[in-house]
Amino acid sequence: DTEVTQTPKHLVMGMTNKKSLKCEQHMGHRAMYWYKQKAKKPPELMFVYSYEKLSINESVPSRFSPECPNSSLLNLHLHALQPEDSALYLCASSQVSGQSSYEQYFGPGTRLTVT
Amino acid sequence: DQQVKQNSPSLSVQEGRISILNCDYTNSMFDYFLWYKKYPAEGPTFLISISSIKDKNEDGRFTVFLNKSAKHLSLHIVPSQPGDSAVYFCAASGTGRRALTFGSGTRLQVQP
Repeated sequence: DTEVTQTPKHLVMGMTNKKSLKCEQHMGHRAMYWYKQKAKKPPELMFVYSYEKLSINESVPSRFSPECPNSSLLNLHLHALQPEDSALYLCASSQVSGQSSYEQYFGPGTRLTVT
Repeated sequence: DQQVKQNSPSLSVQEGRISILNCDYTNSMFDYFLWYKKYPAEGPTFLISISSIKDKNEDGRFTVFLNKSAKHLSLHIVPSQPGDSAVYFCAASGTGRRALTFGSGTRLQVQP
């Protein structure tokens, strides 16, 4: 099973709202990622969690707040977003073993629209 | 500065022929390379990968070639099928950095 699930599939929120994106995997992966993808652009890394600890924050604005409650779950809390934050938000997971690299498996994404 | 480049935004091939997608990289620290296929409004699907200690990896119709001296990799799809029509992203990662740097993608259209 190489499935990563994300909810919701679509989200429309106002600039004053607070919402959360959720991601779940049951592959036993201990690294999880958030990427942001704008139309006709490649995915861009936002955050990396390794063994439930934040290991990379790509200078993401504080209106995006990640959380990794356990090894299977990854959340992205959203608050006071701007219209330019509208994008496809992708979650991914991968194995972790020393400094080795492994393929990442992506979820279907959450299409976020900020009005 | 784009560290992973896919210089062809689009490619069109006939069904049954070979599709060759190219990718160049600039960062010498990259040691693991991957190809992903993506349909609109879906997440990228992992296709095939190659470690820098190899120069070729094959999986069914998909073969990835790596030329480290030229910092170039390519994905060969043989034979191409209409269902292969999608955007293909090249991605790379390096030792100690568990994150992918993606190229800008190549849209492949396989004509029946």
